[in-house]
Amino acid sequence: DTGVSQNPRHKITKRGQNVTFRCDPISEHNRLYWYRQTLGQGPEFLTYFQNEAQLEKSRLLSDRFSAERPKGSFSTLEIQRTEQGDSAMYLCASSYLDSIETQYFGPGTRLLVL
Amino acid sequence: GENVEQHPSTLSVQEGDSAVIKCTYSDSASNYFPWYKQELGKRPQLIIDIRSNVGEKKDQRIAVTLNKTAKHFSLHITETQPEDSAVYFCAGTQGGKLIFGQGTELSVKP
Repeated sequence: DTGVSQNPRHKITKRGQNVTFRCDPISEHNRLYWYRQTLGQGPEFLTYFQNEAQLEKSRLLSDRFSAERPKGSFSTLEIQRTEQGDSAMYLCASSYLDSIETQYFGPGTRLLVL
Repeated sequence: GENVEQHPSTLSVQEGDSAVIKCTYSDSASNYFPWYKQELGKRPQLIIDIRSNVGEKKDQRIAVTLNKTAKHFSLHITETQPEDSAVYFCAGTQGGKLIFGQGTELSVKP
């Protein structure tokens, strides 16, 4: 499968715990995006990377959230001290630099914070 | 910043009928408008897109039209089939990131 992959697909955690998600983009895609989707809503932008550089972060991304793309390939999104309001689907997408808007999404990680 | 409004929020059609979903956007500088289909529990799937230098684009049973003056664009699905049932999202762009509409839940009844 050469599409965007994400792990884990589901995560249940208790409030206050830390969680980390991983995204593997389509090979050779320079840009990698993180979005969050809550039930009945469209995805909302969180942050994006161009190669290993994090170029923009949304105001939705509080200090408890951190994302990395250390070698310009896979990316991780960590949420510290999770809250019930963090429960959502976390989607990753990637695109080529010469067609940045044409984004292909992964299957997402569904997070439930109890 | 860009704001995208989508309607209707739900749409029910009989198999074989056409379905139309409409979106408006606020940023006149936006020049790329994709449509995604999302089945329950699955990833958003890019089904068609249009750039601002064209007014219409077709791909088999789906088509998208764009009116830059009025800042709205529409998705048209003809000869709907039960497998078209899903949530459809339109999007605009802002600095390369996608700004999504609220989604339309399409139900195609056999």
